Parts: sequence; C-alpha cells; structure tokens
Amino acid sequence: EAGVTQFPSHSVIEKGQTVTLRCDPISGHDNLYWYRRVMGKEIKFLLHFVKESKQDESGMPNNRFLAERTGGTYSTLKVQPAELEDSGVYFCASSQPGGTEAFFGQGTRLTVV
Amino acid sequence: AQSVTQPDIHITVSEGASLELRCNYSYGATPYLFWYVQSPGQGLQLLLKYFSGDTLVQGIKGFEAEFKRSQSSFNLRKPSVHWSDAAEYFCAVLGAGSYQLTFGKGTKLSVIP
Repeated sequence: EAGVTQFPSHSVIEKGQTVTLRCDPISGHDNLYWYRRVMGKEIKFLLHFVKESKQDESGMPNNRFLAERTGGTYSTLKVQPAELEDSGVYFCASSQPGGTEAFFGQGTRLTVV
Repeated sequence: AQSVTQPDIHITVSEGASLELRCNYSYGATPYLFWYVQSPGQGLQLLLKYFSGDTLVQGIKGFEAEFKRSQSSFNLRKPSVHWSDAAEYFCAVLGAGSYQLTFGKGTKLSVIP
C-alpha cells in the first residue's frame, strides 16, 4: 500500500512568487492534515480536512495560504505571494475515519529567497 | 492549551549504548501520546503510541516508552542503539476528541561508532 506522498520534495522560490504543494493521502483516508516546521521550531498544525471539507483551519498563518481538497482525494496548499518567513518543511498526513494515528509524508522543504 | 517539552535538542551516544529521550507534556487529562522518528530524507514514522492501559508500550525498531502520569512524562528508551537509529525524534500529544497533534521541538540523535 502506498503511503502519503508529497510533491515536490524541495522547492526554492523567490519572495513574491507563488508555490503549490501537493499531497496524496493513503487511499481511503478521509482525514488529511497539513503541518509545518519552521527552522528550529516545533512542527505545527495548519489545517484538517475531512473528505473535501475543511474541519479546522485554525493553524493557517494568514490569508496568503490556501488549501484545497477537491473531490476529497489529493490536497494542495498554495502560498501566494510567498514571504521569507514561509520557509520550512511542510508535512502532510492522513488518517482513517475516526482514526487517531496519522501517517505522514516525507515533507516538502520550501525555501523562499 | 496542551504543550510538549523535549528538553534535549541534541544527544550523542555510542553504538551499543542505551538511550533515553525525555518528553514532558502539559494537558488537563490523559492525552494520547506518540513518538515519531524522522530519518534523513524520510517522512515522520510512528514509533509507538499510548492511549490507555499498560503504561509501558513497545514500538518498532526495539523502542519502548513509559507513561508516568505523576511526572507528566513519556520517555522513549532503547537498550542498545544502532547506527541506523541516528535521526530526529519527536514526541507528540493528541487531546481527547481532537485531531491536532501538538509536537515537541524534537531531539536529534547522533550515534558514534
């Protein structure tokens, strides 16, 4: 069974540009999460989807971040326009309906220069 | 609000030596507790989890952790470290009824021959 897959693994963009990160969860996992780790800090929750609906987006830092999960399958996280402080590793995770164990992807390392 | 403290940022041990990584949490009740590991170039992998019951839990790769309610701790242990254990280790808590994991800052483990 394929695990959680994230694309790209690395992205380097200039300040002001747009970047879109993609996450493919484990098949059948209704719950999908985005987390972020800024250098030297904790991994922090960004948001939670159940199927295509946003259940909790309390961790989204500001309106430059937009997450979607059309059709309840894969999800994208767009940063527009990117700022220097957006640099970090973005993790996606998924879990089964009602599940408490989250399975994580390998992360996307975003560097904004 | 819940929080997790991993007091050791970096630990170095010799191969074959025993290991204990510390984790303290703050939460009003007994949370669900997790240890994740991130090896270089890999995603976060679940080592073990505690929900209830026996306070000593066994995980993958020979790791175990002990939940101590009186100390609000969930320390990770391994009797004999292998070079492949070099990685970053994260303790995390999940509040009852919540889907948001709260992570510690991580402990980076180096293993010397």
